[in-house]
Amino acid sequence: AQKVTQAQTEISVVEKEDVTLDCVYETRDTTYYLFWYKQPPSGELVFLIRRNSFDEQNEISGRYSWNFQKSTSSFNFTITASQVVDSAVYFCALSEGSNDYKLSFGAGTTVTVRA
Amino acid sequence: DVKVTQSSRYLVKRTGEKVFLECVQDMDHENMFWYRQDPGLGLRLIYFSYDVKMKEKGDIPEGYSVSREKKERFSLILESASTNQTSMYLCASSAAARAHGYTFGSGTRLTVV
Repeated sequence: AQKVTQAQTEISVVEKEDVTLDCVYETRDTTYYLFWYKQPPSGELVFLIRRNSFDEQNEISGRYSWNFQKSTSSFNFTITASQVVDSAVYFCALSEGSNDYKLSFGAGTTVTVRA
Repeated sequence: DVKVTQSSRYLVKRTGEKVFLECVQDMDHENMFWYRQDPGLGLRLIYFSYDVKMKEKGDIPEGYSVSREKKERFSLILESASTNQTSMYLCASSAAARAHGYTFGSGTRLTVV
């Protein structure tokens, strides 16, 4: 069964628009970590954020923000005032406490920001 | 600048060939991983290693093997390449600390013809 679901396959926006990427996860562990990675056209996945299951505070880093809601098992990612350089594939991932060195990835969401 | 280096960016191999994909990390990480990435499927774990000479199967190990003779190097081996192994292969490493997150290489795009 898929542990991480990213329902949006592709999103296309015009520069300066906000874009929200959805991530829903599934786990029976009480201790787990959630991640977001960015994969630009160069191919290398770049780490964006790690959040543990005991910290539900939302986080903001520049134009990026993350909304973690345990009640709905979601960890959504918003890019505010998008730029062309934000065009990439974004992956949500889960690491479970029972097997914490292994990451389970979602299928990814391709974001295209048009000038 | 810490790095995970994959030896080839692009490879074209023939069906039935034995293929070696090499990955080297310079961060003294204990854990190393091989994933394959396919459209619509995300990243799927093939094998991982948590120590030298130690390996464990991931979610899709069939048709693959691995070797880790030194801490910094983790090799993925396709014993007899097939066309359904055409994919992007990504190597990653992480420290032993809990859920430390991965550092990825740039990937090897393998085409089997």
